[in-house]
Amino acid sequence: KQEVTQIPAALSVPEGENLVLNCSFTDSAIYNLQWFRQDPGKGLTSLLLIQSSQREQTSGRLNASLDKSSGRSTLYIAASQPGDSATYLCAVTPHTVETSARQLTFGSGTQLTVLP
Amino acid sequence: AAGVIQSPRHLIKEKRETATLKCYPIPRHDTVYWYQQGPGQDPQFLISFYEKMQSDKGSIPDRFSAQQFSDYHSELNMSSLELGDSALYFCASSLVRGGNKNIQYFGAGTRLSVL
Repeated sequence: KQEVTQIPAALSVPEGENLVLNCSFTDSAIYNLQWFRQDPGKGLTSLLLIQSSQREQTSGRLNASLDKSSGRSTLYIAASQPGDSATYLCAVTPHTVETSARQLTFGSGTQLTVLP
Repeated sequence: AAGVIQSPRHLIKEKRETATLKCYPIPRHDTVYWYQQGPGQDPQFLISFYEKMQSDKGSIPDRFSAQQFSDYHSELNMSSLELGDSALYFCASSLVRGGNKNIQYFGAGTRLSVL
């Protein structure tokens, strides 16, 4: 059974710092990996998706990398801002023959606080 | 662009009552997923539908059932509600047909409180 772990569980940084969030997964047979942002009591906003054949994806100040063989992904946030404060979740999709059975397995998230 | 619509946004029920949550996927998406997120927990997969047929089942209690209708909207029916069912319920949709990347787009969720 796939298990997804995120470290650290919580992180507090001053504004302007660059930071890295970590995600690890136990089964490397994945189809893709997604990073989400969740504000308190709100829905999930997809930030980046990395296909299993890719090494990284970039969107603005965000860069996500994937090392499938070692079961790791990182989310790099450059020049952090107070508005980045949220919980960041990574989730993996299994590589199955049945293309419709690709439910996400989530990590428990990293709660990020960027202090002004 | 149209997103995933969930209704209601908030629902308050008492123990042993029944609740129905609705999900309207992004137009032309063929797959719907339901997830449950308990307080302070990560989302857990419940059930999914592809082209109106159940495609996979996760940790969904027997008291819950779901279906996808001809217009692709989905409903999650929850009976004999328990206090532990209080959670945020997310619906996500994706376009699987045609070998797409299976990006799942999430709705804002329905917050269910069981008193």
